[in-house]
Amino acid sequence: QVQLVESGGGVVQPGRSLRLSCVVSGFTFSMSGFHWVRQAPGKGLNWVSVISYDGSDKSYADSVKGRFTISRDNSKNTLYLQMNSLRAEDTGVYYCAKDGYCSGGKCYAFDYWGQGTLVTVSS
Amino acid sequence: EIVLTQSPATLSLSPGERATLSCRASQSVDRFLAWYQQKPGQAPRLLIYGASIRATGIPARFSGSGSGTDFTLTISSLEPDDFAVYYCQHRIDWPLTFGGGTNVEIK
Repeated sequence: QVQLVESGGGVVQPGRSLRLSCVVSGFTFSMSGFHWVRQAPGKGLNWVSVISYDGSDKSYADSVKGRFTISRDNSKNTLYLQMNSLRAEDTGVYYCAKDGYCSGGKCYAFDYWGQGTLVTVSS
Repeated sequence: EIVLTQSPATLSLSPGERATLSCRASQSVDRFLAWYQQKPGQAPRLLIYGASIRATGIPARFSGSGSGTDFTLTISSLEPDDFAVYYCQHRIDWPLTFGGGTNVEIK
C-alpha cells in the first residue's frame, strides 16, 4: 500500500534551518506531484509548496517564498523541504501529501498523506 | 489568493442526524473543490473531489454538491466515527488554500 513517512522535525531556534524528508513507498514515486501542508497547533491546514513529478515546476505560499525550498530525489523516492530563516509562526505539524485523481494534466485532490512531523521554532 | 469560507465553524448534532456543511469561495473554482476529514492526532483523509465525487472507500452517506463559488458537504446520517473536523480545499490554481474548517461535534 502507499505510504508516506516524514522525518526531520524538531525544535530549532528562530533564524536557523531545518530539512524535512518524506520517504514514499507503494507506488511509482516519479509519476506524481507532491505537496507540503502545515498545521499550526490547534489551527487549520495551510498549503506550503508543490513540486511536479519531475521537479521542473514548483510553487510556494507567499508566507514561505524565498525561505523554503522544495525538492525531490526520484532515485530515492524522497521529497524534501529545506526551511531557512525559520520564524515562530512556522511552528506546526508538516505533512507531505500526494497528488491524486488526476486527469488531463490537472489533479483534483491529495489522495495520500503522511502522518506528519512536528517543527517547533522557539528560543 | 482564493479565500474559502466554511460555515458554520461548529455543528453540534446527534448520531443519526443529517449534517450540512458549507464552503464558499471568494471567486469561482469551477468544480475543483475537495473535502477532507481530520480527527485529532491524525492526518486528513480525502472524502470528496471534483466537488461531488466520492474518493475510493468513502461511504455513500457522504455527498458533495455545488460549483463555482458555493459548495456543500452532506453527511446523510451521522455515525459515531464521523465526528471530526472537515476542511474544503480548492485545486484550481496556486496558491492552493483550505477553508478554516467545520468541527462536527456530538450534541
